[in-house]
Amino acid sequence: GAGVSQTPSNKVTEKGKYVELRCDPISGHTALYWYRQSLGQGPEFLIYFQGTGAADDSGLPNDRFFAVRPEGSVSTLKIQRTERGDSAVYLCASSLNNAVIGEQYFGPGTRLTVT
Amino acid sequence: GENVEQHPSTLSVQEGDSAVIKCTYSDSASNYFPWYKQELGKRPQLIIDIRSNVGEKKDQRIAVTLNKTAKHFSLHITETQPEDSAVYFCAASPPDKLIFGTGTRLQVFP
Repeated sequence: GAGVSQTPSNKVTEKGKYVELRCDPISGHTALYWYRQSLGQGPEFLIYFQGTGAADDSGLPNDRFFAVRPEGSVSTLKIQRTERGDSAVYLCASSLNNAVIGEQYFGPGTRLTVT
Repeated sequence: GENVEQHPSTLSVQEGDSAVIKCTYSDSASNYFPWYKQELGKRPQLIIDIRSNVGEKKDQRIAVTLNKTAKHFSLHITETQPEDSAVYFCAASPPDKLIFGTGTRLQVFP
């Protein structure tokens, strides 16, 4: 079946602009995660959704970052007033159910470049 | 919060040799420890995982060991092949997220 998909695959934006990154999880997966991966580093946790609600947003770096999952499926990560330091690959992952922690399936990522 | 350290950062082995990557974690609440393989420009792919109620798990050439008391876990790859070359990440899961190590770049030379 279809895996986790993310759009766009690449996004180049100017400093100060607003961007939205989209994640389509595997059908039926209730848990959805956003991570950020900088060059040469491991993925860094940003936010976790269980269903429609953000169960843990402790990884969001500041209030310029926000994410939603209004219908418990697709999620959008929103970044306001982008800065050059926001440049990274943004990874989305989903898992079947977080009641018992299990495999997280990653999407291909969105490479964000802020110029 | 959880902190995961991973060593070595790079590892070069001859084809057929074994490779060992080690990680430590800090949060005793972590109960799930996956290992991901990431090839250049690709998404992380799970290769093996272990839960805190198990000390060792093996899948063909790959094995993982967990020492809860010492808070460390290791990945063992035997009979390495050139296609094993990639970056490997360990992770620990306190409830509801994965905290990743900084990665090990494994190079297997023919």
